[in-house]
Amino acid sequence: NAGVTQTPKFQVLKTGQSMTLQCAQDMNHNSMYWYRQDPGMGLRLIYYSASEGTTDKGEVPNGYNVSRLNKREFSLRLESAAPSQTSVYFCASRGGVARSSDTQYFGPGTRLTVL
Amino acid sequence: AQRVTQPEKLLSVFKGAPVELKCNYSYSGSPELFWYVQYSRQRLQLLLRHISRESIKGFTADLNKGETSFHLKKPFAQEEDSAMYYCALLSGGYNKLIFGAGTRLAVHP
Repeated sequence: NAGVTQTPKFQVLKTGQSMTLQCAQDMNHNSMYWYRQDPGMGLRLIYYSASEGTTDKGEVPNGYNVSRLNKREFSLRLESAAPSQTSVYFCASRGGVARSSDTQYFGPGTRLTVL
Repeated sequence: AQRVTQPEKLLSVFKGAPVELKCNYSYSGSPELFWYVQYSRQRLQLLLRHISRESIKGFTADLNKGETSFHLKKPFAQEEDSAMYYCALLSGGYNKLIFGAGTRLAVHP
């Protein structure tokens, strides 16, 4: 099992460009998450999907959209990239649906730079 | 407000020295807390969770509700412990996690 995979690994965008970050998991997990990691701020939740067909905003959703394409895939889209969105983006998944202490499994991250 | 505070950005120790990475939380209710670790060029992974009361790689963490703390401890640090450590709090429904800013542990030979 590959676990949680993310593409691309690195990306450089110009201000105003759009792009989609892809995430897939092969663990048959119900819940998936997108975080951004910034120095001195830890990881902050952007969006999450408790189960296939549902998505909800996290702590910092502005400037982003998500799609839970199927149970395996959860994509993050930047419609008009801004320098403030320069960050490392992590996708994670978890087996359960409701509040639980189940482990979240993380992908390797996508390093995005917006010029 | 729900919050996780890790006061140290960097903790630098010598091999064999004791280590304590501090974590304080703010949460109204019964908290569930975790420590995640990110080794160089690797993905974030769960180190331990308080409900399991386990010891992983020699690390332990005890929840102190009176001091609202969940400090991570290891009696004798090893060079391979060098990594970024994040404390996290389970928040609300759907296993949403609130992370602290992280502490980089550097263990020197």
